[in-house]
Amino acid sequence: AQSVTQPDIHITVSEGASLELRCNYSYGATPYLFWYVQSPGQGLQLLLKYFSGDTLVQGIKGFEAEFKRSQSSFNLRKPSVHWSDAAEYFCAVGAWGTNAGKSTFGDGTTLTVKP
Amino acid sequence: KAGVTQTPRYLIKTRGQQVTLSCSPISGHRSVSWYQQTPGQGLQFLFEYFSETQRNKGNFPGRFSGRQFSNSRSEMNVSTLELGDSALYLCASSTTSGGALGEQFFGPGTRLTVL
Repeated sequence: AQSVTQPDIHITVSEGASLELRCNYSYGATPYLFWYVQSPGQGLQLLLKYFSGDTLVQGIKGFEAEFKRSQSSFNLRKPSVHWSDAAEYFCAVGAWGTNAGKSTFGDGTTLTVKP
Repeated sequence: KAGVTQTPRYLIKTRGQQVTLSCSPISGHRSVSWYQQTPGQGLQFLFEYFSETQRNKGNFPGRFSGRQFSNSRSEMNVSTLELGDSALYLCASSTTSGGALGEQFFGPGTRLTVL
């Protein structure tokens, strides 16, 4: 069964500092990986996705993520955090076949940005 | 193009009652997935519908059911509400039968409170 682990429940960074949010996945085949952001009381917004090809993917709002098959990781990064980035971030893995349409989410990482 | 809409946004019910939530996908999207989000369990997949057929189902009791109409709008119903059903219910639409083959677009959610 597929699973996603986000080891950090809560991260605090200063505005302007760099950010890395960790994500590890377990999946038997080629994973389809996503990062979403959720602001309080809101739905999820897709930041970026990886299906195949270049292992470094660029997303919206200046985010990027790198797929590392050997480490089963898909970490999210941003070189300089803005106060508006404070939110909860979810890593997710999708699937093909009979499980298509059924994404599995990590427990989320809450990002706090210090002024 | 309008996004995914969910109605109502907020709902308060009492134990034992039933509730129906509605989701209108993005125009042209035929796949609709439902997720339950709670602080304790995180984001959990409920079910996915494509062309009026349930394609995938998560591990929820039979009190949770859904359907999809010919215009791709979807409803989910929860009967005999329990306190533990209090959650944010998120709907996501996609262009294909599998959310992993095309990204899922999430609605703002319906916040259900069971008293």
